[in-house]
Amino acid sequence: EDQVTQSPEALRLQEGESSSLNCSYTVSGLRGLFWYRQDPGKGPEFLFTLYSAGEEKEKERLKATLTKKESFLHITAPKPEDSATYLCAVSNSGGYQKVTFGIGTKLQVIP
Amino acid sequence: NAGVTQTPKFQVLKTGQSMTLQCAQDMNHNSMYWYRQDPGMGLRLIYYSASEGTTDKGEVPNGYNVSRLNKREFSLRLESAAPSQTSVYFCASSSVGDEQFFGPGTRLTVL
Repeated sequence: EDQVTQSPEALRLQEGESSSLNCSYTVSGLRGLFWYRQDPGKGPEFLFTLYSAGEEKEKERLKATLTKKESFLHITAPKPEDSATYLCAVSNSGGYQKVTFGIGTKLQVIP
Repeated sequence: NAGVTQTPKFQVLKTGQSMTLQCAQDMNHNSMYWYRQDPGMGLRLIYYSASEGTTDKGEVPNGYNVSRLNKREFSLRLESAAPSQTSVYFCASSSVGDEQFFGPGTRLTVL
């Protein structure tokens, strides 16, 4: 059974204080690993897809990296508007289109 | 483009009542999904439709039915609502195996 574990559950940063969120996964053949951002009362918003170990993607202050067992979402010099819950998910390469989501990391950036 | 739209945004039901949640996408995606999101449990797949004309059960299908009306529309029906179905419901769509795009959600309370 595919599993996704995110840590920490919650993270409080001062504005400008860089940090990383972790996503550990087990999957029977990785097709893709996804990062989403979810604001309160809204649906998840797609950020990145990573397909193979060693791959990296960046968007503004966010950088996602992937190894064979985990992914990191690095946040450089965060701003208060980066406050949100960040979700990690994996899809397997089998015929069943199942995406397994983690519970998320709730990030709060304090001015 | 509106992306993924859902109606209604909020709903309160009494135990035993029925209702249908509507979802539509304008991204020409083949696959559509229904999830529920509960505190501490993350997103759980209820049903999915890999393509027009097909539907399959996800992780938590009991108490729900779905209809893929056409390529754009995918509805979720609760035949006899129960308090355990109080949740936030999200519809999503994707090209096969790729990142999913989510709607704004329906907040359902069953009394």
